[in-house]
Amino acid sequence: EVQLVESGGGLVQPGGSLRLSCAASGFTFSSYWMSWVRQAPGKGLEWVANIKQDGSEKYYVDSVKGRFTISKDNAKNSLYLQMNSLRAEDTAVYYCAGNVWNWFDPWGQGTPVTVAS
Amino acid sequence: QSALTQPASVSGSPGQSITISCTGTSSDVGTYNLVSWYQQLPGKAPKLMIYEGSKRPSGVSNRFSGSKSGNTASLTISGLQAEDEADYYCCSYAGSNTYVFGTGTKVTVL
Repeated sequence: EVQLVESGGGLVQPGGSLRLSCAASGFTFSSYWMSWVRQAPGKGLEWVANIKQDGSEKYYVDSVKGRFTISKDNAKNSLYLQMNSLRAEDTAVYYCAGNVWNWFDPWGQGTPVTVAS
Repeated sequence: QSALTQPASVSGSPGQSITISCTGTSSDVGTYNLVSWYQQLPGKAPKLMIYEGSKRPSGVSNRFSGSKSGNTASLTISGLQAEDEADYYCCSYAGSNTYVFGTGTKVTVL
């Protein structure tokens, strides 16, 4: 069964850091581009970042550049998102997703991140 | 990287057809035939419904179809069913390995 399971979300103060993880199974993780997509409470989806199969290329939405870092460990079938200098506007459910060519499939169930004091 | 524009809500009666529009710019929807559509049920993760503008993944009902004209992509749901009630999002490739999602549309089955 194809599965993505995120973890690492939680409550963090403004300016703090958090590292999200996404464990993949049931497909050849090393062959996939992967992305993080977030959804603020009651809002729409926003693409955050993606990474090439071997980790050699990474791209980010402007609002997180310089603060977030996406990484991938093919040996562990895992995707990560290191989030620094967090802001209230980063509060969202964060989904990891396979970035197949130019669409997103599969998706994880999401992990919530709340940035508040 | 502005979000693509979708109507906030669309409704229809069972059996009817509805169409959701997704308007972008010449930098995304208008240039690339790489629009995908996602269904999101309440409290659930999004599900891929259409990719590359009009292709359906295995297992997705043929009641769902996609098209594009100029800077606007569209998702049509024919034979509307109660189970189709959900939020729907379009997404377009925006160049340089970046993506932009639509604002989302809530579909209500009357």
